[in-house]
Amino acid sequence: EIVLTQSPGTLSLSPGERATLSCRASQSVNSNYLIWYQQKPGQAPRLLIYGASSRATGIPDRFSGSGSGTDFTLTISRLEPEDFAVYYCRQYGSSPQTFGQGTKVEIK
Amino acid sequence: QVRLVQSGAEVKKPGASVKVSCKASGYTFTSSYMHWVRQAPGQGLEWMGIIDPSGGGATYPQKFQGRVTMTRDTSTSTVYMEMTSLRSEDTAVYYCARGLGDVWGQGTTVTVSS
Repeated sequence: EIVLTQSPGTLSLSPGERATLSCRASQSVNSNYLIWYQQKPGQAPRLLIYGASSRATGIPDRFSGSGSGTDFTLTISRLEPEDFAVYYCRQYGSSPQTFGQGTKVEIK
Repeated sequence: QVRLVQSGAEVKKPGASVKVSCKASGYTFTSSYMHWVRQAPGQGLEWMGIIDPSGGGATYPQKFQGRVTMTRDTSTSTVYMEMTSLRSEDTAVYYCARGLGDVWGQGTTVTVSS
């Protein structure tokens, strides 16, 4: 089973700042099959990025994903008030699929 | 529009079983795999398995093998997740999600308590 470790656990930033979130896999993720989700309290997750770097439909271009193999990054170029949430990575390249433990982006 | 609508909240006693439904609409039901994901209170997301609505085959992580069964009914475009031998640690919100997770159900709260 691939273990995904997200860092940091919490990121305290101000609106307008840049956010860089990391997702590290215990072994290489096949075909870079890595997803990023955003989740707000009381809501289902929202798909942001798939295939490590492809933005999902309707996702603003301030969200970008990068990386390959075992190291992946989600970057939010300029934080908007609605971006403060918890972010999860998930690998779907091998079974069982697994999630990271999440990174909370909070207002500083 | 594409929607996944789940069944309502459940309260169960330890040792009981629960069956949660997820009805799809707005797309070809058999064209996308369906996943089940759960989230315990204040915790992260946990992948519970995947079902192919076309052939009905399902795959589960070892943690849930023997205790979780996913099925589908193509006549009603509905997938089901049944969990047996419930314990308090199974208290969570259970979600169905299409494919890569572009569409999610609203979540079903399952509470296991004596």
